[in-house]
Amino acid sequence: DTAVSQTPKYLVTQMGNDKSIKCEQNLGHDTMYWYKQDSKKFLKIMFSYNNKELIINETVPNRFSPKSPDKAHLNLHINSLELGDSAVYFCASSFHRVAGNTIYFGEGSWLTVV
Amino acid sequence: GESVGLHLPTLSVQEGDNSIINCAYSNSASDYFIWYKQESGKGPQFIIDIRSNMDKRQGQRVTVLLNKTVKHLSLQIAATQPGDSAVYFCAEEYSSASKIIFGSGTRLSIRP
Repeated sequence: DTAVSQTPKYLVTQMGNDKSIKCEQNLGHDTMYWYKQDSKKFLKIMFSYNNKELIINETVPNRFSPKSPDKAHLNLHINSLELGDSAVYFCASSFHRVAGNTIYFGEGSWLTVV
Repeated sequence: GESVGLHLPTLSVQEGDNSIINCAYSNSASDYFIWYKQESGKGPQFIIDIRSNMDKRQGQRVTVLLNKTVKHLSLQIAATQPGDSAVYFCAEEYSSASKIIFGSGTRLSIRP
């Protein structure tokens, strides 16, 4: 009964490839997020969706495109992968977008670009 | 033992002692603060939160203190156990931005 699940957990791919990470939450939340964690453990928000609508889009390269087919799913597609994209990508969700709502994280997807 | 965010990213504590993890937040308009625990190979997990109209909140073995005057947040863990080994993140949110900003994290290691 995983709350926020993302696949794949590990992904090793070559530079220039296109890859996707999928995320699903079964908590009934209406807000979902993608965070990127670098090698120094720094967590930075990339995108946030509320009921399939994009509400936060940080300064992320256009090669990253989130897609939310419904409020329980938020996928991340990355085009033309670069070495610097190597990181752990966390999907997360919360009830609504207002302050005070706990964010629940998935287990992470370890992306290595070689 | 104590840590101070960016200046001491690793805190080593004797098992059974109390741990204090400190965090300086950036935005005086932030109105909600959270501590997360991230174990190796896992995602961050909520520990405890506090709103800006409070200065202290207690949970099971954990206490969060908020000092808005100096924009400082701390997490106190009582009787530290091996299972407390993890990286701890403070996070802040200001409702007008509707997003949570994470601090840089402090690694807590437990000495037997």
